[in-house]
Amino acid sequence: DSGVTQTPKHLITATGQRVTLRCSPRSGDLSVYWYQQSLDQGLQFLIQYYNGEERAKGNILERFSAQQFPDLHSELNLSSLELGDSALYFCASSVRDTPYEQYFGPGTRLTVT
Amino acid sequence: GQSLEQPSEVTAVEGAIVQINCTYQTSGFYGLSWYQQHDGGAPTFLSYNALDGLEETGRFSSFLSRSDSYGYLLLQELQMKDSASYFCAVSSGNTPLVFGKGTRLSVIA
Repeated sequence: DSGVTQTPKHLITATGQRVTLRCSPRSGDLSVYWYQQSLDQGLQFLIQYYNGEERAKGNILERFSAQQFPDLHSELNLSSLELGDSALYFCASSVRDTPYEQYFGPGTRLTVT
Repeated sequence: GQSLEQPSEVTAVEGAIVQINCTYQTSGFYGLSWYQQHDGGAPTFLSYNALDGLEETGRFSSFLSRSDSYGYLLLQELQMKDSASYFCAVSSGNTPLVFGKGTRLSVIA
């Protein structure tokens, strides 16, 4: 158990819908990272937040957005969902100065039908 | 941008030693990390090399050569439970961590 929690574990929704994925980092970690993992693309970095502020942006679509709240939990919002958005979404956390050592949550498996 | 190359699959015998190589291209390189991911599980951190040389952690060791933009993960005394995917990842100036596509290790009896 990494100490990072994610909800829900599974999510099935239809194309065009909007969903919110939630992540709570390890106690004391200020950085939260979101990743998308699909079979053909591997682990793709989406976005990083540090202490409530956006720190780095990766291959995140405009239809996706995220935020980190004062209690440091984070939410990833996915809208206008397409079939290709079906994937595993991981959240990870780290102490600010150690982005190379990240602790991953169990993931949310999103299926878009 | 950044790119990493690692073999897609490796098979090794229980009790043996296996080496998983990783070459990378990136600007502003800070270091090379390794992660393990079992099927259906989350990636877990194994090691990090910022400087040239070998880092040993139990049965696992990781090596980095900054001049060659190359590193490897060495797994000794292989066990069946080591069957998993192994990812190298680079930390660089623009992106916290960029992952390779992973190497699927199968340990056979």
